[in-house]
Amino acid sequence: DVKVTQSSRYLVKRTGEKVFLECVQDMDHENMFWYRQDPGLGLRLIYFSYDVKMKEKGDIPEGYSVSREKKERFSLILESASTNQTSMYLCASIREDNEQFFGPGTRLTVL
Amino acid sequence: AQSVTQPDIHITVSEGASLELRCNYSYGATPYLFWYVQSPGQGLQLLLKYFSGDTLVQGIKGFEAEFKRSQSSFNLRKPSVHWSDAAEYFCAVGAHQAGTALIFGKGTTLSVSS
Repeated sequence: DVKVTQSSRYLVKRTGEKVFLECVQDMDHENMFWYRQDPGLGLRLIYFSYDVKMKEKGDIPEGYSVSREKKERFSLILESASTNQTSMYLCASIREDNEQFFGPGTRLTVL
Repeated sequence: AQSVTQPDIHITVSEGASLELRCNYSYGATPYLFWYVQSPGQGLQLLLKYFSGDTLVQGIKGFEAEFKRSQSSFNLRKPSVHWSDAAEYFCAVGAHQAGTALIFGKGTTLSVSS
């Protein structure tokens, strides 16, 4: 069974902290994505990666960075967390036929 | 601009009644089309997808969707809704180029009344 896992289901951090969200996929997919999901706004693409050490900005990259040192792992980094980054964060990888597989999500609260 | 519109933010359906969730898209080329479902606190699960061929596609959990090119629509249907279908539903569109990100609608929340 294919799987995308995320390191935490729930996370509470303080303003100004550096936050790491980890995502691992076991399907050997080339492309991986980070979205944030907010009520009424749907899923918005933050960053994506199409290969190890390669990354591209999505629609809302401000305040975020990413790291992809290994094919199976894609990390989202909040350099200095702010309250407006409180959200649900979803990681996904994509198969060659463009079917995306999602992790369970990390609900991040920044106080 | 490429976009996906789900006109209904929230729909309530009685258990056993039929369901149709609307999805309209704006896309420059023939798209791939998807419907995902998200149960509370969970990630997104693929219900069905359309790539080419028969415009009526069958998915999991008894769902189906019909691609209508002339209307730029990909509406999701189910003949008889179950209480467990209560969830948020997302329509998405993607390019035929492999590995490109999907564009998602803002979602429709389905409530099921008894």
